[in-house]
Amino acid sequence: EAGVAQSPRYKIIEKRQSVAFWCNPISGHATLYWYQQILGQGPKLLIQFQNNGVVDDSQLPKDRFSAERLKGVDSTLKIQPAKLEDSAVYLCASRVVGWEGPGTDTQYFGPGTRLTVL
Amino acid sequence: DAKTTQPPSMDCAEGRAANLPCNHSTISGNEYVYWYRQIHSQGPQYIIHGLKNNETNEMASLIITEDRKSSTLILPHATLRDTAVYYCIADSGGGADGLTFGKGTHLIIQP
Repeated sequence: EAGVAQSPRYKIIEKRQSVAFWCNPISGHATLYWYQQILGQGPKLLIQFQNNGVVDDSQLPKDRFSAERLKGVDSTLKIQPAKLEDSAVYLCASRVVGWEGPGTDTQYFGPGTRLTVL
Repeated sequence: DAKTTQPPSMDCAEGRAANLPCNHSTISGNEYVYWYRQIHSQGPQYIIHGLKNNETNEMASLIITEDRKSSTLILPHATLRDTAVYYCIADSGGGADGLTFGKGTHLIIQP
C-alpha cells in the first residue's frame, strides 16, 4: 500500500515570497491533516479536512495560510507571504473515517516538506 | 485533551528493553493513550494505543496503570533503528481529530 506522498521535500524561499505544498493521501482515506513542526517541537495541527470540507482550522493563521482539498483527494497548503517564523517542516497525514479493522484507526504521516524562509 | 509529561531524553543499550514513561495525571475516562514515534527526517509513525487494558502488538507493549495516571511504552528488544523521538498523546477523539503532540522523549539506542 502506497503511503502519504508529499512534494516538494525541500523548499527555500525569501521572506514575503509565496510557496505551496502538495499532499496526496493514502487511497480511500477521507480525513486529511496538515501539521506544522518547528525545529525541536512536536507537530502542531494547522487544518483538518474530511473529504473536501474543513473540520478544524482553528490554528491556521488565515491571514497568510490557506489550504484546499478539491475533489476530496489531493490537498495543497499555501503560504503567502511567508515570514521567517514559517520555517518548519510541514507534515501531511491521512486517516480513514471510522474504524475499518485493527490498525486502521490511526493517522498515517507523509515524510514532510522542509521549508526554509530566508 | 489531557497534558502529558515525558522525560526529554533517554538512553538504552541495544538488545535491552526500552521503557519509556509518560505521565498523564489529568486524563479523563474517555481519553485514549496513543504513542507515536518520529525517526529523524521522517513523519511520525503510529506505535500503539490503549484505554485501560495493557496492549501489545508487533512493535511494542503499552502498560497503563490502574488509575490511568501514567503509562509505559516498552520496546522489548531495542535496536539502533529504534532511535527516535517518542510521543505520548492523550486523545478523546479516537485519534480522528488533530493530535496534540508535546516535545516527546528522544530515545537513543547505544550499540
